[in-house]
Amino acid sequence: QQQVKQSPQSLIVQKGGISIINCAYENTAFDYFPWYQQFPGKGPALLIAIRPDVSEKKEGRFTISFNKSAKQFSLHIMDSQPGDSATYFCAASKRTGGYNKLIFGAGTRLAVHP
Amino acid sequence: GAGVSQSPRYKVTKRGQDVALRCDPISGHVSLYWYRQALGQGPEFLTYFNYEAQQDKSGLPNDRFSAERPEGSISTLTIQRTEQRDSAMYRCASSPDSNYGYTFGSGTRLTVV
Repeated sequence: QQQVKQSPQSLIVQKGGISIINCAYENTAFDYFPWYQQFPGKGPALLIAIRPDVSEKKEGRFTISFNKSAKQFSLHIMDSQPGDSATYFCAASKRTGGYNKLIFGAGTRLAVHP
Repeated sequence: GAGVSQSPRYKVTKRGQDVALRCDPISGHVSLYWYRQALGQGPEFLTYFNYEAQQDKSGLPNDRFSAERPEGSISTLTIQRTEQRDSAMYRCASSPDSNYGYTFGSGTRLTVV
């Protein structure tokens, strides 16, 4: 059962534009929602994360928007740059038992054209 | 070390052989996770260690897969009697505790021929 659905599968954005990637989850018990960025040949790297008690979190050009009632969250990349070209994964978890078992989306391949 | 180290980087093995994949987490990280990532997909949870204790192995596909972390540091994921469907990228991740995000290693690309 896929618990985190991510869209789009791929995205092309012009330099300076806004990249938007969306995720939807099913399990209302999830309490941690990170985004990971993965470059070719590398492991996923934590980009930004949010907890359900806030609706938005911003770190530099990256913003997570969270809609608890709709069970959706999204990543916005402002002023997108060619160096942002990578695969982005959303994830979710319910942190119980002292650990953080993440359920990942299928990923979005972002290409930012100069 | 500065990051999570995995070895080997690539492993090609014949069907039916056993393989052992190694993970050296960031020093001091209590939590260690193993994930499997198919091409074009997100990582899929396999197992979790808290120090040396394997506290969740619900993601291991079948009893051919096992993992250990005997001294609470280096971990080994072992796949016995490998099958072609085991071919994937196997990733290890570690974190200081459950309140922090993971640091993933670069992974081991396993190909079963």
